[in-house]
Amino acid sequence: AQSVSQHNHHVILSEAASLELGCNYSYGGTVNLFWYVQYPGQHLQLLLKYFSGDPLVKGIKGFEAEFIKSKFSFNLRKPSVQWSDTAEYFCAVITGNAGNMLTFGGGTRLMVKP
Amino acid sequence: DAGVTQSPTHLIKTRGQQVTLRCSPKSGHDTVSWYQQALGQGPQFIFQYYEEEERQRGNFPDRFSGHQFPNYSSELNVNALLLGDSALYLCASSFGVDHYGYTFGSGTRLTVV
Repeated sequence: AQSVSQHNHHVILSEAASLELGCNYSYGGTVNLFWYVQYPGQHLQLLLKYFSGDPLVKGIKGFEAEFIKSKFSFNLRKPSVQWSDTAEYFCAVITGNAGNMLTFGGGTRLMVKP
Repeated sequence: DAGVTQSPTHLIKTRGQQVTLRCSPKSGHDTVSWYQQALGQGPQFIFQYYEEEERQRGNFPDRFSGHQFPNYSSELNVNALLLGDSALYLCASSFGVDHYGYTFGSGTRLTVV
């Protein structure tokens, strides 16, 4: 069965620092990849998604992610974080053999210090 | 506003009891998926309903069942509650089973004591 690993469970950064959150998946076939964000007390929101084409995808709020097929990775990046980016971030995948069932990673809790 | 409405927001039940959670999808959406998010973990897929039928199911026991109504709203039922069923239950709606444009609700926090 497919799985998603997020290696950093907690990340603490100061404002203006650069962010990179790791995400690796285990599935050898076609994948669709997602990053979701959950702000405190709010619902999951889609940051960005990759289906095909340019492996560098840009999302909302200045986030981007790069799909590296050879590394089974889809890392999330932001050049300069803000206090308002404090949230939990989830990587998720839909694999070719799983309909449109999302498989989520365990999440990374990001705290940005002002 | 998430567009997906879940009720209740919080619930406390006793082991062995049964619970029903409700979800109204975003306007224009006809497919509802349910996820369980245990504390400190990512959401796990329970099942998906489309055209009032269960279309896909994750690795959850038969104690977890659901229903979809003609107006596309959905219920999640859990029988014989266990302490381990304590979690945030998320509903996600989308249009069609092949469309990945999910909208998530804010969830129902279930505590089993």
